[in-house]
Amino acid sequence: GESVGLHLPTLSVQEGDNSIINCAYSNSASDYFIWYKQESGKGPQFIIDIRSNMDKRQGQRVTVLLNKTVKHLSLQIAATQPGDSAVYFCAESSLEAAGNKLTFGGGTRVLVKP
Amino acid sequence: SAVISQKPSRDICQRGTSLTIQCQVDSQVTMMFWYRQQPGQSLTLIATANQGSEATYESGFVIDKFPISRPNLTFSTLTVSNLSPEDSSIYLCSVVRNIQYFGAGTRLSVL
Repeated sequence: GESVGLHLPTLSVQEGDNSIINCAYSNSASDYFIWYKQESGKGPQFIIDIRSNMDKRQGQRVTVLLNKTVKHLSLQIAATQPGDSAVYFCAESSLEAAGNKLTFGGGTRVLVKP
Repeated sequence: SAVISQKPSRDICQRGTSLTIQCQVDSQVTMMFWYRQQPGQSLTLIATANQGSEATYESGFVIDKFPISRPNLTFSTLTVSNLSPEDSSIYLCSVVRNIQYFGAGTRLSVL
């Protein structure tokens, strides 16, 4: 399938500041997008998802924005904490795809400075 | 949510041998997947493990190299055969229960 890419491989952020992680996707047929967090030695952990009929969705301290016009997805983390240090992946899928097969982006490492 | 147990959590294997990875889910699921995550890279789907039928492989992955079993709705195995150093990766299983959940992964190093 088509790949999902990221603009920034590493993001350093001061504790307490907001983080923004960006992701570009190329498959215009994708209609479901997910952000995962992967800590060292662990599997990816679901953070938040969004369907293409929405352009914004909020969770606890996180917001996902979807711009279908430019095929861009972002994850905003409010008041970044040391526990937010991890690699973040965006993934895309089509809800019509069998079993919701995911195509992952390259990942962004977030480093939170105390 | 879904509780996924993968075994082994890590292994070091010799070139030419095989490693079988087990994935156990806490309750029945229809869809199970196997992914590979090469060092410092993102996740790539290897195959969909189908219960009662042959797995569905993605482009670039073949059954001879990555045989998969799915004997029931809570269990699957992935074997990585004829190991070479290029197979050193993290192998992850995932299941779909509203959203896709991942196991902790198996870290394989091939010498």
